[in-house]
Amino acid sequence: DAKTTQPPSMDCAEGRAANLPCNHSTISGNEYVYWYRQIHSQGPQYIIHGLKNNETNEMASLIITEDRKSSTLILPHATLRDTAVYYCIVTGVTGGGNKLTFGTGTQLKVEL
Amino acid sequence: EPEVTQTPSHQVTQMGQEVILRCVPISNHLYFYWYRQILGQKVEFLVSFYNNEISEKSEIFDDQFSVERPDGSNFTLKIRSTKLEDSAMYFCASSPPVGYTFGSGTRLTVV
Repeated sequence: DAKTTQPPSMDCAEGRAANLPCNHSTISGNEYVYWYRQIHSQGPQYIIHGLKNNETNEMASLIITEDRKSSTLILPHATLRDTAVYYCIVTGVTGGGNKLTFGTGTQLKVEL
Repeated sequence: EPEVTQTPSHQVTQMGQEVILRCVPISNHLYFYWYRQILGQKVEFLVSFYNNEISEKSEIFDDQFSVERPDGSNFTLKIRSTKLEDSAMYFCASSPPVGYTFGSGTRLTVV
């Protein structure tokens, strides 16, 4: 699985958009970009994933560059409850599901 | 919204004892997983399970670990002889082909 690089921490004002970057320059053609988050010691929570097109769901938007070497997770209106560690993970889909390799992620702190 | 349920939420055990961590995955999911997170460290993959057999396991998942799907709903992780270093949060997860749902975890403390 391709390695990802994320900033260790970011701050965001409540109500503003949070833009979390991720570099994955060694991504291969059949690998997806996934985003998960972990609030305190809870189980990680799936946010969104994409292959090459931009994606949007009720939680967030995912922007993937044309060369697929980087992506940005956008939380359009961050709230205090979005304070969490955000993980960008690149992995393929195999016949047995897909293993997730977690890095250290980005600690997002949303403040008033 | 469907959930992955884990029990117990907290387990304290003596070193050398066997523990069984239980999980009820989402009913129409086909893939099941165990991960663990030692306090302050990364979330680590242990094992994936598909079609009633292990599809992948990590180096951590040695002979003291085993997984089982004893009936149509439960998915268990057994640690045969616990060590102090097995103390961690253990997360169960299930998925369709893409996109996991994790449980809230079992905090295992080995004393």
